[in-house]
Parts: sequence; C-alpha cells; structure tokens
Amino acid sequence: QQQVKQSPQSLIVQKGGISIINCAYENTAFDYFPWYQQFPGKGPALLIAIRPDVSEKKEGRFTISFNKSAKQFSLHIMDSQPGDSATYFCAASPYNQGGKLIFGQGTELSVKP
Amino acid sequence: DAGVIQSPRHEVTEMGQEVTLRCKPISGHNSLFWYRQTMMRGLELLIYFNNNVPIDDSGMPEDRFSAKMPNASFSTLKIQPSEPRDSAVYFCASSIRTGEETQYFGPGTRLLVL
Repeated sequence: QQQVKQSPQSLIVQKGGISIINCAYENTAFDYFPWYQQFPGKGPALLIAIRPDVSEKKEGRFTISFNKSAKQFSLHIMDSQPGDSATYFCAASPYNQGGKLIFGQGTELSVKP
Repeated sequence: DAGVIQSPRHEVTEMGQEVTLRCKPISGHNSLFWYRQTMMRGLELLIYFNNNVPIDDSGMPEDRFSAKMPNASFSTLKIQPSEPRDSAVYFCASSIRTGEETQYFGPGTRLLVL
C-alpha cells in the first residue's frame, strides 16, 4: 500500500531549539523523499529532499536523516526560529511513476520566541 | 517569473452547482498535478498529466470529478454536481518534466460548498 505515516501531528519548540519530525513508509519502490513547507494561505514549497543512496543531507539549518533498513526518514531543524512556524509534509515518490508524490499527514510546527 | 496560477482563489457555491477550477502551470513545465487538501485527509493527489495526457486518475474521488488539459498552458478541474463534502483547498502543481520530482505548487483555490 502506498502510504507515508508522519508524526507528530503538532510540535511546539522554543526558539533556538531543535525540531524533529519523523516519517515512515512501507513501499520499497519509493526512491525519492522530499519535505515540503507550507505557510497559512500558501501552497506547499519544496524545502529539502533526499534519495535512498545517502543517509543524510544537510542544507543550512535543515537536515534529512534517512534509514533505509528501517524505512524511516526524519527532518531536523536546528536553531529553530519563529519564522519556521509552518506545516511540514514529508512525501515519497514511487520509482518510474512520473514524479507522483504521496504525502504524509503533515506536522504543524510552532516555534515560540 | 510567474509561478503556477490558479483561479479563482476562493469559490462559494451551493450544493448541486457546477464548479470549475483553473490552473496555468509554469511555462515550459510538462507535468501537471491536481491535489485536494482537507484537515481529515491531508494532501491527496487527484490526477496528474504528462505532456497534456492524463496518466493517473486513481485519486479522483468519483465520477462527479473530471479534469482536462487541452494544451500545455491550461488545465481545469470540474465538479458536477458539487456536494458539501467537496469543500477543501484544491492545489495545482507543475514540474519541469516527466519524472522530475520537484513540484511547484500554486496558491490554491479554497472551495466551500453550502
């Protein structure tokens, strides 16, 4: 079944803290794992993405950790800022299906000043 | 550069009416995706096109929903007849080519069916 499970549903973090969001999947045909960020009233926007041939990818304060054997991946936001407050979606794309994305349920992150 | 353009941004209609949502993808993009977002079901892929051809419509909820892409710069999602449970935000997204996974989302159309 093509499904991506995301947790937690909501997260409150103090400014400067680390935000961690987790996702798990079952379909081994997934070969691309992006994270999207969505602000209220806007469409989702790509934040960072990883392929299963690497275990970690870092872009600025954002890091994806990927565990292929456990079929899990996570987003870490270091030094979280109030401007990071948004909804974050993990997603997975099946191999050779035209870029189709299966999204997780989303995590609403609130960073308190 | 203009991003993905959707219209209308907001639509309020009564049950039973026909609703047409419109999307203009980013120029030069060959893949177009329609999503629906609700609190209960999150972001669901409804249908996607490659080079104007529908590839996968398995997410379309029922026959009341239809989508077309008559040319590379325009797509529509139609609901006829609309029902209150269709109330959601509908997003259109495009990507530069088949298999290119980065999707660029439009601002969405917020639909309320009374």
